Amino acid sequence: EDKVVQSPLSLVVHEGDTVTLNCSYEVTNFRSLLWYKQEKKAPTFLFMLTSSGIEKKSGRLSSILDKKELFSILNITATQTGDSAVYLCAVSLMDKIIFGKGTRLHILP
Amino acid sequence: NAGVTQTPKFRVLKTGQSMTLLCAQDMNHEYMYWYRQDPGMGLRLIHYSVGEGTTAKGEVPDGYNVSRLKKQNFLLGLESAAPSQTSVYFCASSRAGVNHYEQYFGPGTRLTVT
Repeated sequence: EDKVVQSPLSLVVHEGDTVTLNCSYEVTNFRSLLWYKQEKKAPTFLFMLTSSGIEKKSGRLSSILDKKELFSILNITATQTGDSAVYLCAVSLMDKIIFGKGTRLHILP
Repeated sequence: NAGVTQTPKFRVLKTGQSMTLLCAQDMNHEYMYWYRQDPGMGLRLIHYSVGEGTTAKGEVPDGYNVSRLKKQNFLLGLESAAPSQTSVYFCASSRAGVNHYEQYFGPGTRLTVT
């Protein structure tokens, strides 16, 4: 059965800290791995990863994929209270998309 | 440019009632999707469409039907609502397959079935 597992499920840190969110997967017909940020409503797209070892970066956020070990990490440096959200990892297969349960990140001022 | 819109935003149904959720996008996207999100479960794909007039089943299609008569609209129907269908429903669209193009999500519809 295809599955995507995110860890930790919940994380509380202080503003300015660096956090690493994990996403591991066991799927057939892998096509890409996606990261989304979900605040109060709709998820918003962060990254799409298809190749191993190539870091994608957007401001203080970065992500990398390891297709051999079947995982991805999302790093957030110098966290701010506005980074508080649920971060969703998803894996796109040939015919479907599987989401993890998400990591709820709370940044304390 | 409104992006992806969903109507209604909230709805309460009684068991056995029917309803249709409407999703509209103005980005000329080919692909559209319906998800449900339950606490602690993440997003689960219900049905999707790769173009006007086509639909396909996702991960949890039972109890739902969909139609894509116009490219910009994707309708999700519940013929006989059940309490297990209480959830937040998200619609999304993408230019083409998510392997190459990002998905844009609507604001969600919160449905409660009593």
